[in-house]
This record gives sequence, structure tokens and C-alpha cells, in this order.
Amino acid sequence: AQSVSQHNHHVILSEAASLELGCNYSYGGTVNLFWYVQYPGQHLQLLLKYFSGDPLVKGIKGFEAEFIKSKFSFNLRKPSVQWSDTAEYFCAVNGGGGSNYKLTFGKGTLLTVNP
Amino acid sequence: GAVVSQHPSWVICKSGTSVKIECRSLDFQATTMFWYRQFPKQSLMLMATSNEGSKATYEQGVEKDKFLINHASLTLSTLTVTSAHPEDSSFYICSTVGFGYEQYFGPGTRLTVT
Repeated sequence: AQSVSQHNHHVILSEAASLELGCNYSYGGTVNLFWYVQYPGQHLQLLLKYFSGDPLVKGIKGFEAEFIKSKFSFNLRKPSVQWSDTAEYFCAVNGGGGSNYKLTFGKGTLLTVNP
Repeated sequence: GAVVSQHPSWVICKSGTSVKIECRSLDFQATTMFWYRQFPKQSLMLMATSNEGSKATYEQGVEKDKFLINHASLTLSTLTVTSAHPEDSSFYICSTVGFGYEQYFGPGTRLTVT
């Protein structure tokens, strides 16, 4: 069974600080990897995704993530956070491809950015 | 991406009653939809996969007789929580599958059972 681990439960940063949120997954085969964001009072939105190719993927709002296969990691980064980035961030993995569309989510990281 | 709506956004019901939650794909024909449950400060837990025109597939530990799923059309899936109890109070979220394994999520329904 696949699993996803997010290391930080709550991260507090000041505006302009750099961000890195850790995500490790456990799955032996081919994976598709996602980061979703949930702003306060809103639904989950896709930030970025990795299926294949360049392991450094860029998403919306200046976010990027790097897939390191040897470390089973897919960490999310942003060079300079803004107050509006305050939200909960979820890493998710879909394993196996084919007709398997199921997602396994990590527990989420709450990011608070102070102005 | 696809737009997904849920109704109601918040429902309060008495213990022992049943409540139906609707999930609509507004601009996308959704052959497959997922139902999740999210507890406060926790992750989304997949409850079941809803397939249009066929029976839902439930995850291990989810009572199919308690959480009835109907996916009668390509734009609507419903989740009925039967004989609800306070421990069923939670945030229920549905999603549709888009191209390339992406999922598009509804805004969620908060169920409070008193």
C-alpha cells in the first residue's frame, strides 16, 4: 500500500522568507505526484504535478517541486512567500497508473505567513 | 480544470436520521468520482470510488450500508449517510477525475450530527 509522509505539521514564516515543505512517499512502482493547496474556506486546488520527465516541476503562484526518486521525495519550494500563501498544503501520490486514479494524501502542512 | 459543486455546504441532523450530500460536476462528464472524509487537522481519507452506472467501490473499513453512494448520471453522485451518529460528524469532500490523473475537488460538506 502506498503512503505519504509530510514532515511538518505547522510552519510559520515571515513574508519574503523561503519555503520548503517536505514530502516522502512509500510506493515501489511508478508514481504520479501532486501538491494541492487549500486556502482558508476554499476547496482543494492543484498547485503542481509530476508524471514523468524533468524532475523539477513548476506550478502556479511561483511554487516548484523536485522529484528525487532515490529519496522517494517530492518537496515543495518557493523562494519568497507572501501573506496570501497562508494555507494548508497537501502532498498526494497516485501509484501504478493505468486505471488507478486513487490518490493517497499526506496529513497536510499548515503554512502561516506573517506580514 | 473541472468545476465541482457540493450541496449542501453544511448540514445539521439528529442522530438516527439520514442525510444526502450531492456532488455535481458542472462542466465535465465525470465517469469516476471519489468521496473523501476529512477530520479536523487531518488528511483526506478516501472512502469510496463512485462509478457512473455501476456500484461504488468502498475502501477497507468503510461500511457500504452506512454510506450509500449513487452515481446515476455523468454529472451527479450522491452520498447518503444512513442512521447518522455523532461520530459521523465530519467534512465530506467529493472529487472528479480529470485528464492525466488530476482530481478536481468540491468545496466540501460539513456534517454535524447532534
